[in-house]
Parts: sequence; structure tokens; C-alpha cells
Amino acid sequence: GDSVTQMEGPVTLSEEAFLTINCTYTATGYPSLFWYVQYPGEGLQLLLKATKADDKGSNKGFEATYRKETTSFHLEKGSVQVSDSAVYFCALSDGSNYQLIWGAGTKLIIKP
Amino acid sequence: EPEVTQTPSHQVTQMGQEVILRCVPISNHLYFYWYRQILGQKVEFLVSFYNNEISEKSEIFDDQFSVERPDGSNFTLKIRSTKLEDSAMYFCASSDSLMNTEAFFGQGTRLTVV
Repeated sequence: GDSVTQMEGPVTLSEEAFLTINCTYTATGYPSLFWYVQYPGEGLQLLLKATKADDKGSNKGFEATYRKETTSFHLEKGSVQVSDSAVYFCALSDGSNYQLIWGAGTKLIIKP
Repeated sequence: EPEVTQTPSHQVTQMGQEVILRCVPISNHLYFYWYRQILGQKVEFLVSFYNNEISEKSEIFDDQFSVERPDGSNFTLKIRSTKLEDSAMYFCASSDSLMNTEAFFGQGTRLTVV
């Protein structure tokens, strides 16, 4: 079945560091890929998405490129801030059913 | 900006009691979902709902669970006889089409079964 694998956390960085959170997937067909973010004490918010190969999703300085050849959707940000501290979830939908398949989440801690 | 609203934000219930978690999806959305997240674990799909019926459900969604759209705006999740292991954050979501497009999530209801 479909699955999403994320790098384990927590990931601890200093402010202004470069961020990469790895996400790889297995799926039949051509899934859509998503990054959701969960700030402390809050719900799930869509951060960015990509619906086909080579698409780049971007939002709030975060980017991720849909790489079909490596089945990856890594999240990157050039300069992180303390306010980026949160749990980041990679997810996919293959569109043939009604559910999102989620990665385990990666906790990001940014120190000033 | 339209949003999905969930109530209550936190519910504490005794084991064996019935609970109803409430959600108001975005008004023009047609697809509705419940997910749950046990503390420190993955987000798990429970059920999807479209055209007044369940479209898909996971193994977690057993006979103790039910969903309903009692009127044109609310979407509820009922757990008939809660167990300790039902303690989790429950998220409602809605979308205007199948999940290739953005699903909007509510803030969640934290259910604590004691």
C-alpha cells in the first residue's frame, strides 16, 4: 500500500540555518504531495503542495519539489526562524480514495 | 478566510460514556473527513463522508464509531462507548473535491478518556 517516510526528529537548528526535512513516498499512480505544519497547541495547517512531477510548492519561505524519479518531496527553507518551530508532516493523496496518507511527522526546534 | 470549526476544543469523559465531537466544515465543501492523532503518533485516517454517506473508512472506525451530517452545516463523530485508547486529538477536515486538492483542517478536539 501507499506510504510516506519522513526523517526522524527532533531536528534542532540555530536561527538562520538552512533546513531540509526529507520525505520519500511509495504510491501507485501519480499522487499529490503535501506538507502540513502543526504549531504547538494548534491544529494542522497546509504549508504547501504539489500535484504533479517537477512541480514546486512554496509558502512562507518553504519549498518542496515533487521528484518522481527519486519518489521524494523534501522540505527546504533557506533561513529558519524561531517561529518555525513546529511539527512538520509530509502526506500524499493518490486521488483514487478519500484519505491522506501521513508520515510520522518531524519535530523542528529552532534555537535563537 | 473560511475555516473549519471544531467544538469542543477539549473534552474529558469517563470510560464507557458516549461522546459527540462536532465540526462545521467550510460551507461549499462536499467531502468531509475525520482523522485522529494519538499523542506522539502518526495522524490516522478514520472516515470520509460524501453525499450523506460514508465513502471510505479505516479499520479503526469500528461499530463504536458513527458519523452524521444532521443538518446542512454540522458534521459529527460519535463514539458510543469510549475506551482509554480512544484518547487522542481528533481532526475534522473538508475539501471541495477528492483529496488531490487542499483539505482544510479544524483546530482539533482533544479527547481524554479517564
